[in-house]
Amino acid sequence: EPEVTQTPSHQVTQMGQEVILRCVPISNHLYFYWYRQILGQKVEFLVSFYNNEISEKSEIFDDQFSVERPDGSNFTLKIRSTKLEDSAMYFCASSWDRGNEQFFGPGTRLTVL
Amino acid sequence: EDQVTQSPEALRLQEGESSSLNCSYTVSGLRGLFWYRQDPGKGPEFLFTLYSAGEEKEKERLKATLTKKESFLHITAPKPEDSATYLCAAYGGSQGNLIFGKGTKLSVKP
Repeated sequence: EPEVTQTPSHQVTQMGQEVILRCVPISNHLYFYWYRQILGQKVEFLVSFYNNEISEKSEIFDDQFSVERPDGSNFTLKIRSTKLEDSAMYFCASSWDRGNEQFFGPGTRLTVL
Repeated sequence: EDQVTQSPEALRLQEGESSSLNCSYTVSGLRGLFWYRQDPGKGPEFLFTLYSAGEEKEKERLKATLTKKESFLHITAPKPEDSATYLCAAYGGSQGNLIFGKGTKLSVKP
């Protein structure tokens, strides 16, 4: 069964450093998303991506964040200068169409020291 | 403000003891209501999508229903392997993307 994959599973970084989180969405899906979940809190929407551009983003997704689809399979989230409060689980998701079920990856646990 | 609220926060059941989880939503322009299961340290696993009031979906011991204000996830004769956090998410609202509730943590004891 096709699934969304994410790497790395755990990333530890120093405050102020740049990190790139990687995702491989399900191959025939057209919409891609990033969400985050701070420990003990809700899953929060960050950004959606379609046709090689951002379609929507939340207030959390400020200038420190960027997304890219560098090739036909990968989808990345870059945090330019990490802060302590960026520590969270980051989930990538994909869907065939807007409004269809989104399938989530296993997540990357980001720890900022 | 668009919002999804789940209750209870936690639910402990004995194996075989049926119950229901509630998800109430205030989302303008709801386009879909989704249920996910999340195990500790894992990503949400898709269970159901409901699109209109009155709709019902079933999968094994789980049944999801939808009204104009809330959704229920009914668990019939649960087993210990059903222990997980169940997340409700509404699609629609001002951002047009999934708005999650905090989840209900279900524990089923043998």
